[in-house]
Amino acid sequence: EPEVTQTPSHQVTQMGQEVILRCVPISNHLYFYWYRQILGQKVEFLVSFYNNEISEKSEIFDDQFSVERPDGSNFTLKIRSTKLEDSAMYFCASSEAWGTDTQYFGPGTRLTVL
Amino acid sequence: ELKVEQNPLFLSMQEGKNYTIYCNYSTTSDRLYWYRQDPGKSLESLFVLLSNGAVKQEGRLMASLDTKARLSTLHITAAVHDLSATYFCAVDNYSGGGADGLTFGKGTHLIIQP
Repeated sequence: EPEVTQTPSHQVTQMGQEVILRCVPISNHLYFYWYRQILGQKVEFLVSFYNNEISEKSEIFDDQFSVERPDGSNFTLKIRSTKLEDSAMYFCASSEAWGTDTQYFGPGTRLTVL
Repeated sequence: ELKVEQNPLFLSMQEGKNYTIYCNYSTTSDRLYWYRQDPGKSLESLFVLLSNGAVKQEGRLMASLDTKARLSTLHITAAVHDLSATYFCAVDNYSGGGADGLTFGKGTHLIIQP
């Protein structure tokens, strides 16, 4: 069964460093998303992406964040200068259609900022 | 701002009992999603409810949607230990931009005891 994959599974970084989180969405999906979940809390939407551009972004997704689809398979989230409060589990998701279809979540990348 | 409220947030119940988790939301969306999350794991899609009156069932779980009341319920019948998990409801942000993110509730942490 096709699934969303994410790398790395765990990333440890120093405050102020740049990190890139990688995702490979399900191959025939057209809509891509990033969410984060701070430990023990709810899942929060960051950004959605369709047709090579950002479709929607939340207040959390400020200038320190960017997304890119560098090729036909990868979808990346970059955090330019990490802060302690960026420590969270970051989930990538993808869906085949808009609005009526399930968003399938990847296994997540645990980001720890020291 | 879209708000999604779940209750209860914590639920401990015995095997064989029935219970209902409630999800209230503040927008006029007619798209609601239920996800399950096991500790340290990703989110697994359970149900996608796309219209008023929608009811879906899978095993011991049944979800329904009342868009007029802005309420969805997840009913557990004759609970078994394997259903222990955190259950999230989520509502489509419907920004109109094409790829809408989801706003999640805080989750219901369900423990089913023998």
